[in-house]
Formats: sequence, C-alpha cells, structure tokens
Amino acid sequence: EAGVAQSPRYKIIEKRQSVAFWCNPISGHATLYWYQQILGQGPKLLIQFQNNGVVDDSQLPKDRFSAERLKGVDSTLKIQPAKLEDSAVYLCASTLRWGGPGEQFFGPGTRLTVL
Amino acid sequence: AQKITQTQPGMFVQEKEAVTLDCTYDTSDPSYGLFWYKQPSSGEMIFLIYQGSYDQQNATEGRYSLNFQKARKSANLVISASQLGDSAMYFCAMSNDMRFGAGTRLTVKP
Repeated sequence: EAGVAQSPRYKIIEKRQSVAFWCNPISGHATLYWYQQILGQGPKLLIQFQNNGVVDDSQLPKDRFSAERLKGVDSTLKIQPAKLEDSAVYLCASTLRWGGPGEQFFGPGTRLTVL
Repeated sequence: AQKITQTQPGMFVQEKEAVTLDCTYDTSDPSYGLFWYKQPSSGEMIFLIYQGSYDQQNATEGRYSLNFQKARKSANLVISASQLGDSAMYFCAMSNDMRFGAGTRLTVKP
C-alpha cells in the first residue's frame, strides 16, 4: 500500500512570495489533514477535510493560507504572501474516516524556509 | 475545543529501563480517543498506540503500553525495556480534533 505522498520535500522562498504544497493521501482515505510544525513544537492542525468538505479550519490563517481538496482526493495548501514566521515543516496526513480509532498516516512533510 | 498537555519537555532514561511519558487532556466529549506518535530526528511521524475512551483495558503494542486513567484525564505512555532507538520526540493527540501536545523529547542513555 502506497503511503501519503507530499511534494515538494523542500522549498526556499523570499518573504512575500507565494508557495503551494501538494498532498496525495492513501487511496480510499476520506479524511485529510494539513499540519504546520515549527521547529521544536508539536504539529499544529491547520485544516481538516472530510472528502472534499472542510471539517475544521479554525486555526488556518485565512488571510494568507488557503487549501482545497477537489474531488475528495488530492489536496493543495497555498501560502500567499509568505512571512518569515511561516518557516516550518508542513505535514499532510490521512485517515480512513473522521474521528474514529483509525491510525493517522503521515506524509514525509515539506520543509519551507522563508528568507 | 479539546486541550492536550505534555508537561515534560525532556526525559532521560537508562537503556533497558522503563519510562513513562505524561499526557493529560481536557474534553467534554464522552467519546474520544488518544494517540501517541514518535518522531525521530528524521522527521517522520510514526504511530505507536491508540486508546479509546470506552476501551475497558489499557492498550498495549509490544513494548508500548498506555496507562489510561479516565477520571484523571490522563493517558501516559509507558515504554518498557528502553532501547537507544527510542530516542525521539513523542507526541500525544486526541482523535476528535487531532490536536497534538507540545511533545516530550526522550533520550535513552547507553
């Protein structure tokens, strides 16, 4: 079974530029999560999708961050414009269904550096 | 919203000894679950163990067990017979909203 795929693995941009991250969850997984993990901290949930609907985006800075999950499969997370404090690893995860006991599978993450 | 607290920023344990990593939570939902994940220096998140709020027995997975005390709202991870490869960050999270604690850095000494 293929795992959660993310790309790119690394990205370096200047502040005020835009950037997009892509995630392909495990086939058949209905729930997809995007996390931001700043160095030395726990993952912070940014947005949670159930199929292609948003379940929770309360911690997403909506003035600069956006995310979509068209067709309930792949997802993209965009930052526009980026700030220095957005430097972090962005993790994508998926589960078979929302809120259940199923294990949450994580992708390898995208490390973003904003200069 | 739920809240997850890990009060130990760092822990040390001697190889082959057992160690307990603390996790407390706060929720008004009667049905919930607690996860523990390991994150080595490579950055990958590795699922370790899950405990449901209605599970009658504490969860165990190999050398990992969960000391679940519902009345105290704690779900501590116990690692038995520590190995050098257990050195990593450990995070607990709640299933309802998948929010994570701040983590505990475990260092296993030879």
